[in-house]
Amino acid sequence: SQQGEEDPQALSIQEGENATMNCSYKTSINNLQWYRQNSGRGLVHLILIRSNEREKHSGRLRVTLDTSKKSSSLLITASRAADTASYFCATDAWGYKLSFGAGTTVTVRA
Amino acid sequence: GAGVSQSPSNKVTEKGKDVELRCDPISGHTALYWYRQSLGQGLEFLIYFQGNSAPDKSGLPSDRFSAERTGGSVSTLTIQRTQQEDSAVYLCASSPPRFDEQFFGPGTRLTVL
Repeated sequence: SQQGEEDPQALSIQEGENATMNCSYKTSINNLQWYRQNSGRGLVHLILIRSNEREKHSGRLRVTLDTSKKSSSLLITASRAADTASYFCATDAWGYKLSFGAGTTVTVRA
Repeated sequence: GAGVSQSPSNKVTEKGKDVELRCDPISGHTALYWYRQSLGQGLEFLIYFQGNSAPDKSGLPSDRFSAERTGGSVSTLTIQRTQQEDSAVYLCASSPPRFDEQFFGPGTRLTVL
């Protein structure tokens, strides 16, 4: 069963704008990861945040984690056409396997 | 260096036939994972290997599904007597020891007619 649930399901923004998507989960976790998928094939790891961290940055990406609310957010700043993709949050509660949400489809319009 | 590779990239088969999907992980990665992604959905965990052993097979949907890993490297996922509901993209991932990030292959798109 899927633990993570992303919101919104789809997002359309203008190039240069920021994109924010949220993830909620149900059980305690070791870490939470965000992945990007282009064209429905392989996933690319974007960022990992551990359960004892609250915020993390990587380039134009900012991730927050609120373990009391069991939620995370991913912010992409100054979006580009190349950011068009599906974004998935994945929770690690067992130390190995990941539980993925259904994803947020982001479209960046030129 | 080379990433995770999977073959074939696409497989079309008839209902009732057996299929084998192959995964070549990144060299030195001890952990290997299989996931399944149905259209428009997130990934569903199937099985996890640590070396050649599979401590967690809990995600395999039925006994028609099996997987093995040999030499701590290549893994094969076998689906016997395929059904239309088996149609999906099958993704393989690997990770090095004591590392939380998983590196994914491009997947095999399986279509059962």
